[in-house]
Amino acid sequence: GAGVSQSPSNKVTEKGKDVELRCDPISGHTALYWYRQSLGQGLEFLIYFQGNSAPDKSGLPSDRFSAERTGGSVSTLTIQRTQQEDSAVYLCASSPRLAAFSGNTIYFGEGSWLTVV
Amino acid sequence: DAKTTQPPSMDCAEGRAANLPCNHSTISGNEYVYWYRQIHSQGPQYIIHGLKNNETNEMASLIITEDRKSSTLILPHATLRDTAVYYCIVRFHRNSGGSNYKLTFGKGTLLTVNP
Repeated sequence: GAGVSQSPSNKVTEKGKDVELRCDPISGHTALYWYRQSLGQGLEFLIYFQGNSAPDKSGLPSDRFSAERTGGSVSTLTIQRTQQEDSAVYLCASSPRLAAFSGNTIYFGEGSWLTVV
Repeated sequence: DAKTTQPPSMDCAEGRAANLPCNHSTISGNEYVYWYRQIHSQGPQYIIHGLKNNETNEMASLIITEDRKSSTLILPHATLRDTAVYYCIVRFHRNSGGSNYKLTFGKGTLLTVNP
């Protein structure tokens, strides 16, 4: 597709349930990022994938959060046993290659809005 | 990454130029300046980036001072659709490892364009 695609766009779940959020990066982009933004707050880095390298998971807030990237393309962010504080918009982004090396830009999707009730 | 300082909010009249300042006094020689914006309920959108020369594209101009300690994003003819939070970010550019691939977002400047 033309841009980063995320699904679902909106998700309401009960506390304690597991949720999966999906990200389709721009075709050919090797770097993929997940960020989180709580209501009225700034963007918080969660995890970064680059090709076949080990992901940078340093931003994941707890072991309830995990992410995979299969085949170097689609990524899934999983939140287990959701809590109300997990309510936020989860943003995925991708970049053509290691953006730091070349100054390339990072392109964001529209986000998945998660509400835990 | 170097820390940036931006005013929390600014107002601009529609059709006028919007000049958004950013201080990055601790920037190092191999760090780029990036600007992104986030319109309400949307994902962040890349605007422009630069190293030391002024840059211009179809969206905006970026003016970086000679000492690189500050920069200004200029929207030449602001419209109501330019109302958004504007983020100024500096990030390393080097050929080695480390966590220099992240964009670290601060609180940004809420630009309100008024009719």
